[in-house]
Amino acid sequence: GENVEQHPSTLSVQEGDSAVIKCTYSDSASNYFPWYKQELGKRPQLIIDIRSNVGEKKDQRIAVTLNKTAKHFSLHITETQPEDSAVYFCAASRTGNQFYFGTGTSLTVIP
Amino acid sequence: EAGVAQSPRYKIIEKRQSVAFWCNPISGHATLYWYQQILGQGPKLLIQFQNNGVVDDSQLPKDRFSAERLKGVDSTLKIQPAKLEDSAVYLCASSLGSSGGAGETQYFGPGTRLLVL
Repeated sequence: GENVEQHPSTLSVQEGDSAVIKCTYSDSASNYFPWYKQELGKRPQLIIDIRSNVGEKKDQRIAVTLNKTAKHFSLHITETQPEDSAVYFCAASRTGNQFYFGTGTSLTVIP
Repeated sequence: EAGVAQSPRYKIIEKRQSVAFWCNPISGHATLYWYQQILGQGPKLLIQFQNNGVVDDSQLPKDRFSAERLKGVDSTLKIQPAKLEDSAVYLCASSLGSSGGAGETQYFGPGTRLLVL
């Protein structure tokens, strides 16, 4: 099955700085890569996703890049704010909707 | 639209007891997932249904876990007997489940937090 690795496990940044979280995957057939934000005690919420026919996608302060050859994708958050503090999970999926999640990155934005 | 509903929200049981969780997906969503999320880890897929059929249950500990989705809508996940290591949040998610193409957006329920003593 798929193996998704996520780094770093914890990340602290100053408010206004950028944060980058990276994931690698093993199954070359994976073609959908969502990112979820999970605040303490709450459900995971989709924040952005990318499909294998696109190399980059941006939504305001959040962007995701995908390198299919190297089998890695990254989440970029610019101009970080305290409310960005949460655990972020990447996931990989292929046709048939079988999802595999990374181990999570705990992001702390220091005011 | 209404989101994914789960109950109960919290459950405390002793080891070797049985427990059941219920999930009602978003109306019209054909695909339903059960995940186990241990504290500090990412969600791990336990079982995936497409309507009332099982698509993937390769990570379901079948000696103690069972799940069903008899009418292709609601689903129940059961643990019998429970072990200490089953303490986790059990998340249900659903997606549209249209055939073919790339993966679809999953929508998660609030989860059931299980503590086994």
